Amino acid sequence: NAGVTQTPKFQVLKTGQSMTLQCAQDMNHNSMYWYRQDPGMGLRLIYYSASEGTTDKGEVPNGYNVSRLNKREFSLRLESAAPSQTSVYFCASRAGLGQGEAEQYFGPGTRLTVT
Amino acid sequence: LAKTTQPISMDSYEGQEVNITCSHNNIATNDYITWYQQFPSQGPRFIIQGYKTKVTNEVASLFIPADRKSSTLSLPRVSLSDTAVYYCLVDSWGKFQFGAGTQVVVTP
Repeated sequence: NAGVTQTPKFQVLKTGQSMTLQCAQDMNHNSMYWYRQDPGMGLRLIYYSASEGTTDKGEVPNGYNVSRLNKREFSLRLESAAPSQTSVYFCASRAGLGQGEAEQYFGPGTRLTVT
Repeated sequence: LAKTTQPISMDSYEGQEVNITCSHNNIATNDYITWYQQFPSQGPRFIIQGYKTKVTNEVASLFIPADRKSSTLSLPRVSLSDTAVYYCLVDSWGKFQFGAGTQVVVTP
């Protein structure tokens, strides 16, 4: 099992450009998450998908959109990148929402720089 | 969402036990507590989860008092490789928030 994979690993964008970050998991998990982590700070939730076909806003959704393409894949789109979106982006998945399904599995991250 | 408060940093020597206490005063009845570990340039990794009393696994123990307003992660006999940031989360049926975490530095 590959676990959670993310592409690309690194990306440099100019202000105003758009891009999509891809995330896929092969663990048959129901729930998937997108986070951003700025230097020296904790993770902040951007969007999540509790199950296939549903998406919800997290703590910092402005400037982002998401698509739960199927059970395996959850993409994050920046429509018009801004320097404030320079960050490391992590995707995660977990089996479900219950107590016995609490463990989140994280991808390796995408390091995004917006100039 | 229940907010959590942890110390910003802790220092320890190899072989010692490290205890990190997390405060979560407004935890709800059905919420449970989860701890993650993060190394630089990596995503967080699940350590342990609990609801009340004590939970132990191969890497850590989690102590939760009866009022559940705090929890303590205990790392026995730490090594240099335990240097990392540790996050406490209160999980409310899939809703939670990562705080700033506790930077643990282990020195020889």
